[in-house]
Amino acid sequence: EIVLTQSPATLSLSPGERATLSCRASQSVSSYLAWYQQKPGQAPRLLIYDASNRATGIPARFSGSGSGTDFTLTISSLEPEDFAVYYCQQRSNWPFGPGTKVDIK
Amino acid sequence: EVQLVQSGAEVKKPGATVKISCKVSGYTFTDYYMHWVQQAPGKGLEWMGLVDPEDGETIYAEKFQGRVTITADTSTDTAYMELSSLRSEDTAVYYCATGLGIHYFDYWGQGTLVTVSS
Repeated sequence: EIVLTQSPATLSLSPGERATLSCRASQSVSSYLAWYQQKPGQAPRLLIYDASNRATGIPARFSGSGSGTDFTLTISSLEPEDFAVYYCQQRSNWPFGPGTKVDIK
Repeated sequence: EVQLVQSGAEVKKPGATVKISCKVSGYTFTDYYMHWVQQAPGKGLEWMGLVDPEDGETIYAEKFQGRVTITADTSTDTAYMELSSLRSEDTAVYYCATGLGIHYFDYWGQGTLVTVSS
């Protein structure tokens, strides 16, 4: 069973700053990793799939990279609406990571 | 427009069974898996299982095996998730979700809150 870990648990940043979120798999998942954003009271939204492909309608400030066991979600310049919880997920048995909360500093 | 519309909130007693529906529109129901995801209050996302609406085949997460049953009714384009032997720890929002052409979840239902309380 592949386990995903995310770091940090919480990231406190100001609007306009760059956010770098990490997801690590317990064994290689190739490029089969996705990132989701979830705001309070809402369903998650797919941001990135297959490590680096932006989903439909996702702004260019969101980018994903990595392969194997180490992956990164980067938000180049935080907008007020980007403060949320971010989850990674791999597509074999579809487990999610525990999440990273990006909150306002 | 793709839509996944779930049934309303439920309150159940410990030991009871809950069945939640997810009606889809805007795409061919039998073309893509339907997944279910649990989210307890203040907690993360937990994948529960899936159904292939084309043939009814299911895969369940080990944590829920034996207590969860996921089905699909192709006559009404509706998926169902039934969870039995409810306990307080099952209090959560349950989402249906699907991926159209990708192996991830790009469409989600609005969520159904299930409260388990005596």
